[in-house]
Amino acid sequence: EAQVTQNPRYLITVTGKKLTVTCSQNMNHEYMSWYRQDPGLGLRQIYYSMNVEVTDKGDVPEGYKVSRKEKRNFPLILESPSPNQTSLYFCASSLRPSTEAFFGQGTRLTVV
Amino acid sequence: GENVEQHPSTLSVQEGDSAVIKCTYSDSASNYFPWYKQELGKRPQLIIDIRSNVGEKKDQRIAVTLNKTAKHFSLHITETQPEDSAVYFCAATYGNNRLAFGKGNQVVVIP
Repeated sequence: EAQVTQNPRYLITVTGKKLTVTCSQNMNHEYMSWYRQDPGLGLRQIYYSMNVEVTDKGDVPEGYKVSRKEKRNFPLILESPSPNQTSLYFCASSLRPSTEAFFGQGTRLTVV
Repeated sequence: GENVEQHPSTLSVQEGDSAVIKCTYSDSASNYFPWYKQELGKRPQLIIDIRSNVGEKKDQRIAVTLNKTAKHFSLHITETQPEDSAVYFCAATYGNNRLAFGKGNQVVVIP
């Protein structure tokens, strides 16, 4: 089954404790993105990747890192989480930006 | 960057009536315009999309129209049903490798 898998689904952590949210897709897609969804602000792109070893900043990259060592995986790293990073995070993949994006299940992150 | 705006932010319709959501975009080079539906607690899913060389596209009860001159595109849902209640996001490509989303519209279908 074609899918995008994120883990974990829910995470509560403390300020400053490094964490990684994993994202994996099995569709051989080249384009992958991370979004955060906040009430009233829609989906804002954090980082995106055009292909392996090619990543770039989206609209809200501060406080986040990503890597793309393999085509299927695109982890999101928060080196020192802060409460303003409490949000719902979605990973998405597509062949290109101009084709259907498939979203993961979402990760609800709370930083206290 | 691209600025994508959706109106209205919330739309309530009687079951069976039509719903229309309008999106405007700022980048005249944008060439791909998808609509995503997000049900409560679920992930966004593509429901319809349109490319800049097409003016209208229809899929059963949903349709999308594009006006490139005015830089806006609209989602039309006919014969609305309770399962159409959701948040709808429009988006537009820009800069060859970016996809910008609007803030979303909450559609409520009243039985």
